[in-house]
Amino acid sequence: AQTVTQSQPEMSVQEAETVTLSCTYDTSESDYYLFWYKQPPSRQMILVIRQEAYKQQNATENRFSVNFQKAAKSFSLKISDSQLGDAAMYFCAYRPRTYGQNFVFGPGTRLSVLP
Amino acid sequence: DVKVTQSSRYLVKRTGEKVFLECVQDMDHENMFWYRQDPGLGLRLIYFSYDVKMKEKGDIPEGYSVSREKKERFSLILESASTNQTSMYLCASTFGRNTEAFFGQGTRLTVV
Repeated sequence: AQTVTQSQPEMSVQEAETVTLSCTYDTSESDYYLFWYKQPPSRQMILVIRQEAYKQQNATENRFSVNFQKAAKSFSLKISDSQLGDAAMYFCAYRPRTYGQNFVFGPGTRLSVLP
Repeated sequence: DVKVTQSSRYLVKRTGEKVFLECVQDMDHENMFWYRQDPGLGLRLIYFSYDVKMKEKGDIPEGYSVSREKKERFSLILESASTNQTSMYLCASTFGRNTEAFFGQGTRLTVV
């Protein structure tokens, strides 16, 4: 079975500092997508960043970047220059390209940003 | 922008009631999903649909059913609500196989 693990239920970071959220996954598929979603207190899930497994280059979106290690099945999210608005639940998700396979979400990491 | 709208943000229902959670998306997405979100468990898939009138069970379908009569609308039905169905429910849609999911704002359901 495909699983996604986020080993840090809670994390905190000082404003303007850098934090890394961990994610590992288990799959026998070779072609898939990985995502990080953010869920602020408003509850609206927002896509932060997406990585395609066949691309070796790590995805970046402004202050957000990933460290994708396919062999290790690891997909960590780095947030640079943390802002108060980054405080949220962060979910790592996996989706194989095989037809009929759906998203698998991790349990989430709650990030607090300290002023 | 894609908009996925869930009919209620908060809902309180009594045990045994039939409950309808409605979800509408405005971007002609073929694929729609219902998830349940509980602390420490992440999002778990209840049902999904890849086309009108089509539905497939997800990982935790027991106690739920769905309806998709129109492409833009996907309804989740709790036939006889129970207290263990108290949870956050999230609707999502996608276009094609290789895109991210777009989510509604969630419905927090309390069954008393």
